[in-house]
Amino acid sequence: GAVVSQHPSWVICKSGTSVKIECRSLDFQATTMFWYRQFPKQSLMLMATSNEGSKATYEQGVEKDKFLINHASLTLSTLTVTSAHPEDSSFYICSARLAGGRGSTDTQYFGPGTRLTVL
Amino acid sequence: SQQGEEDPQALSIQEGENATMNCSYKTSINNLQWYRQNSGRGLVHLILIRSNEREKHSGRLRVTLDTSKKSSSLLITASRAADTASYFCATAAGGTSYGKLTFGQGTILTVHP
Repeated sequence: GAVVSQHPSWVICKSGTSVKIECRSLDFQATTMFWYRQFPKQSLMLMATSNEGSKATYEQGVEKDKFLINHASLTLSTLTVTSAHPEDSSFYICSARLAGGRGSTDTQYFGPGTRLTVL
Repeated sequence: SQQGEEDPQALSIQEGENATMNCSYKTSINNLQWYRQNSGRGLVHLILIRSNEREKHSGRLRVTLDTSKKSSSLLITASRAADTASYFCATAAGGTSYGKLTFGQGTILTVHP
């Protein structure tokens, strides 16, 4: 099956530092990856859509300068939380959609998530 | 914004019983998907039902979709303790929003052995 990995699985950082989270599709190519944020006991909120070779599309209310997304290859997207603050502490989950155009599956495959704690 | 409303928010049952979770949404969709999330983990895709389908089965899972009522249900039959998790519905729109998923609030299912 399609596997998506995330690294790191958890990270603790000091306020003001930047943190990079990687999302990789291990056995398939993904032209599109999505980044979500999930607060405890809440649902997933889509932050941005990451397209290989182009700029990410951010959802309303998400600061693009705060959450930098790079999708440099068909198997890797990165999310960098810049100048992190305690309110950025959350569970960040990525997903990847199989390449192949609209005729292919609509299924998104999710990574295991990264828990970010900002002190 | 969250489109889906799920009920119940929490469901507690005994092993062997059936569990039914409902999801309602507001706008037209291309498909609706159900996911499971164990505590602190990523999401596992369970089943996808397209807007032109009414019912779909996968093992002990049965999903229905009523586009006229903008609602879906997930039935887990003969539940097991291992089914304990949060279950989310997610709707996928078409057009310019193609591929984007909007998640419901989720149902926390607890299956007691």
